[in-house]
Amino acid sequence: EIVLTQSPGTLSLSPGERATLSCRASQSVSSSYLAWYQQKPGQAPRLLIYGASSRATGIPDRFSGSGSGTDFTLTISRLEPEDFAVYYCQQYGSSHTFGQGTKLEIK
Amino acid sequence: QLQLQESGPGLVKPSETLSLTCTVSGGSISSSSYHWGWIRQPPGKGLEWIGSIYYSGSTYYNPSLKSRVTISVDTSKNKFSLKLSSVTAADTAVYYCARQVSGLHTFDPWGQGTLVTVSS
Repeated sequence: EIVLTQSPGTLSLSPGERATLSCRASQSVSSSYLAWYQQKPGQAPRLLIYGASSRATGIPDRFSGSGSGTDFTLTISRLEPEDFAVYYCQQYGSSHTFGQGTKLEIK
Repeated sequence: QLQLQESGPGLVKPSETLSLTCTVSGGSISSSSYHWGWIRQPPGKGLEWIGSIYYSGSTYYNPSLKSRVTISVDTSKNKFSLKLSSVTAADTAVYYCARQVSGLHTFDPWGQGTLVTVSS
C-alpha cells in the first residue's frame, strides 16, 4: 500500500499570504492519479485538484498543484478567508489512500 | 446536478453488521464513466477509503477491510449499499458515499455523510 505523508500538520498563515502544502508518497505515484481535497468543519471533502495539476470545475485559479513521482505540492497563491480548512491528498495505485491532512489555520 | 445521500442506522451494536445505502439523484448510476465509492472518517481523524463498485457489480475493496466489507448496487433504484460486518468501536465514523471518476480515480461529488456510532 502506498502511504502518503502530508506536511506540515498545521500551517498558520494570514489572509493574503501564500500557502504551500506538501504530500510525499512512500513510492512513486502516477501523476494522473494524484488529487487534492479541501474539507471544512462539518462538511464533506471537495475535490480541488486532479491529475496532480488540473483544477476541478469551479475551483479558483489561486489553487494550483504540481509535482511528480513521490513529491507533490498544493499551492494557494493568496489566501482568502474561506480557504482556511483541512487539505488532503489522495492517490490511486491498486488501492486508494489519503494523506493524514494539513490543517490551514488563520494566524 | 448530481447529488448523493447516505441513509441508515446511526447506532450499531458491537459485533453486528453496519448497513448503509447511498441514493443517487440527478444522474444515472449506470453511467459507464463512473464507479461509486464509500469513504469513512473517524471523529477528528483522516479519510479512509472502504471500497468501490461499478454499475455492473464489479467491486474492489480496501485490503485492510476486505474480509468484512460487501458493496452492492441496485441500478433499478439508482442506489448502492455498504455492509460492514463484525463492527467494533473502531468503526465509529462519518461514512461518505461519492462518485468516482473511473479514469482518474477521484471522488467528486460526495454525499453529506452520516455518523455511525458503534456502541452497546
